[in-house]
Amino acid sequence: DAGITQSPRHKVTETGTPVTLRCHQTENHRYMYWYRQDPGHGLRLIHYSYGVKDTDKGEVSDGYSVSRSKTEDFLLTLESATSSQTSVYFCAIKPENTEAFFGQGTRLTVV
Amino acid sequence: GESVGLHLPTLSVQEGDNSIINCAYSNSASDYFIWYKQESGKGPQFIIDIRSNMDKRQGQRVTVLLNKTVKHLSLQIAATQPGDSAVYFCADQMFSGGYNKLIFGAGTRLAVHP
Repeated sequence: DAGITQSPRHKVTETGTPVTLRCHQTENHRYMYWYRQDPGHGLRLIHYSYGVKDTDKGEVSDGYSVSRSKTEDFLLTLESATSSQTSVYFCAIKPENTEAFFGQGTRLTVV
Repeated sequence: GESVGLHLPTLSVQEGDNSIINCAYSNSASDYFIWYKQESGKGPQFIIDIRSNMDKRQGQRVTVLLNKTVKHLSLQIAATQPGDSAVYFCADQMFSGGYNKLIFGAGTRLAVHP
């Protein structure tokens, strides 16, 4: 879908362990975003990137870090996973002057 | 599919009726608005967009209205079909600090009954 792939699609991890989610695009777009989706909250922006090594915080960035060492990959890391980070995570890419395209999502369960 | 959106407001309509989904935004600096549709187990998909210099935009069976005075956006779906059942999100884009941020509303579940 629109050249965007998330991996893994599903993951179960234990509290306190580090977790990294990957978002890969084949489109070479500048903007990439990580969102989390929880019941009753819609999609909330965690972090976003506007270029290689250029990232900024969104509205729910605590407990998350990101890296973008190359255009095509945007990594989201939970340094020490907590149960409150159980969620569905969506990555999005955004061409200039048009809408964003979303990946299929990663369902993360922290036990 | 994913069980997100369990506590979202729900709009129930009969097949063939018109649907209106509303959205309020808070940032007067937003200059681009998008409606997304999300079906169970999938990522959001683009429906229609509108820029802040417009009041209305029409697509196939969908119309978006923008009222900047009261910071309100609506999505109208004509002749609603069972395949329209989904969660609908509005999103607004703000150009802040030289970069684009895309912020979503909480979403509305549309349930279409035969």
